[in-house]
Amino acid sequence: GNSVTQMEGPVTLSEEAFLTINCTYTATGYPSLFWYVQYPGEGLQLLLKATKADDKGSNKGFEATYRKETTSFHLEKGSVQVSDSAVYFCALSDHTKAAGNKLTFGGGTRVLVKP
Amino acid sequence: GAGVSQSPSNKVTEKGKDVELRCDPISGHTALYWYRQSLGQGLEFLIYFQGNSAPDKSGLPSDRFSAERTGGSVSTLTIQRTQQEDSAVYLCASSPLGSNSYEQYFGPGTRLTVT
Repeated sequence: GNSVTQMEGPVTLSEEAFLTINCTYTATGYPSLFWYVQYPGEGLQLLLKATKADDKGSNKGFEATYRKETTSFHLEKGSVQVSDSAVYFCALSDHTKAAGNKLTFGGGTRVLVKP
Repeated sequence: GAGVSQSPSNKVTEKGKDVELRCDPISGHTALYWYRQSLGQGLEFLIYFQGNSAPDKSGLPSDRFSAERTGGSVSTLTIQRTQQEDSAVYLCASSPLGSNSYEQYFGPGTRLTVT
């Protein structure tokens, strides 16, 4: 079956530091890949996505590239802010008709940015 | 426009009682998903609706769990004879399947506590 593995947290950084959260996946076929973010006290929000190999998703200074050869979708941001403190989830969706694009999530990585 | 809404936001129930959780998806979204977020299991898929039918129920953990969707809109997740391990945040998401977008929009969740 499908699975997503992401680095465990918490990750603690200083403001303006570089952030990388590793994510690798196992899937049949060619899934779409996502990063969702959950800010404190809020619901899950889509941060970025990539639907095919070599696509780069980007949003709010975050980037991730769909690497089919390494089955990875690592999240990066060059200069984090305190407001980036949140839990980040890597996810994939399977496009088979029965699965209906249901999401398989990684375990989540808590990021804490200190001023 | 209005997002996905869920009710109640919090529910405390005694072990053995039945509970109903409600989800109102974004208007016009044909796909609806239920997920569960718990400390031990992370974020896991429960069930997927396309219109009023559920092609994928593979994530329901036991026959105490059931869900229905009426009018292609509101969905209810029912848990019978609740157990302490059912304590979790239950998330609903909707998606405009049929478009090129695979984004799922999440509601704020219902926090269920079984005492």
